[in-house]
Amino acid sequence: VQLQESGPGLVKPSETLSLKCTVSGGSISSYYWSWIRQPPGKGLEWIGDIYYSGSTNYNPSLKSRVTISVDTSKNQFSLKLTSVTAADTAVYYCARKTTVVIGVYSYGTFDIWGQGTMVTVPS
Amino acid sequence: DIQMTQSPSSLSASVGDRVTITCRASQSISNSLNWYQQKPGKAPKLLIYAASSLQSGVPSRFTGSGSGTDFTLTINSLQPEDFATYCCQQSYNTPRTFGQGTKVEIK
Repeated sequence: VQLQESGPGLVKPSETLSLKCTVSGGSISSYYWSWIRQPPGKGLEWIGDIYYSGSTNYNPSLKSRVTISVDTSKNQFSLKLTSVTAADTAVYYCARKTTVVIGVYSYGTFDIWGQGTMVTVPS
Repeated sequence: DIQMTQSPSSLSASVGDRVTITCRASQSISNSLNWYQQKPGKAPKLLIYAASSLQSGVPSRFTGSGSGTDFTLTINSLQPEDFATYCCQQSYNTPRTFGQGTKVEIK
């Protein structure tokens, strides 16, 4: 399975950032799919995820501005982030979240990642 | 949100050294802790999940331990390809949160 992000590398302040992630080599079904970002020189921030059925989870810090959607017919999922500022400048990654079951416990991991795409919002 | 704090933020080591990186959670997360390796310009790579389980294909010189709030990643006999940044991530609840990373540099 491979993931590939696509979308504009430059977004103007106050506009909407839109990215797509295409899943190849496997089906988008039966997994959660995530968006994670990394500002230059900083740590990783989880944005949110979506199940193939369409149910979503968002980071409360971004929830008011984020929409994640899925198109199973195209094996793609998407990210929209509205009202962007320079603080949204980052490398944006899409990733697959896999749940591993050990005994009676389950553990979520980001086991497959896209290569990442740099999105710049000028100040 | 659960805060993940790593130490040190960077370290210098030589090939063959044993390296230990610590990750502390702001509250108990049981053993819901993952470790990733990230090289410059590349996506993170999963190394360890559930605090101590080795991801398929990852060399056995990488070991993880800990539970509750304190966790460690140990690299036994550091290899040239291991010079990278390592970060922890809690999968206990949402929002998923990551440590700020520990950069392992060549001495």
